[in-house]
Amino acid sequence: ETGVTQSPTHLIKTRGQQVTLRCSSQSGHNTVSWYQQALGQGPQFIFQYYREEENGRGNFPPRFSGLQFPNYSSELNVNALELDDSALYLCASSLQGRSGYTFGSGTRLTVV
Amino acid sequence: QKEVEQDPGPLSVPEGAIVSLNCTYSNSAFQYFMWYRQYSRKGPELLMYTYSSGNKEDGRFTAQVDKSSKYISLFIRDSQPSDSATYLCAMSMIYNQGGKLIFGQGTELSVKP
Repeated sequence: ETGVTQSPTHLIKTRGQQVTLRCSSQSGHNTVSWYQQALGQGPQFIFQYYREEENGRGNFPPRFSGLQFPNYSSELNVNALELDDSALYLCASSLQGRSGYTFGSGTRLTVV
Repeated sequence: QKEVEQDPGPLSVPEGAIVSLNCTYSNSAFQYFMWYRQYSRKGPELLMYTYSSGNKEDGRFTAQVDKSSKYISLFIRDSQPSDSATYLCAMSMIYNQGGKLIFGQGTELSVKP
């Protein structure tokens, strides 16, 4: 097992810009979820993808979008960045129907 | 009111102490209850997972769920400096399908040698 890897580890963007964050799921995991964790807070669910389709979404605006690829890697895209988007973005993969989520170490996004 | 409430701490204890971490929740539909440990600059790591009410023990860790009181706990016995981390409770209605985990704020724990 290779675990969940995320890139980049850190990123600084300017308000109004767009950003793409990447996640490589754990081997064999077909489901990926994305979470936003603000400083001093617990992670908040953004959305989940299963077999390349979104199958669950949290309370985030449409400028947060995602993709899942046939190899189960995934992207999180955020358009029109706002200062409040500064956070740690976590990717978690799992095998549909089985227990257990494996989280990556996250991407620290700073919007200035 | 948040769906899951967790005392953010920080909590500082001496090595060897018994640590009690707690969360309360408001949604009676939650069926699956988890505790994650998060070290600085790392992602959360699953420690304990419990379905419905009851106790579960794994080494020095014990998880308790009381659905009638909407209250869950994590106990750490013989705490070690390596246990110093942020502990997050999480819960969901359907485990691993729909994917939505609801997390508490996290409790920062420091175990002093």
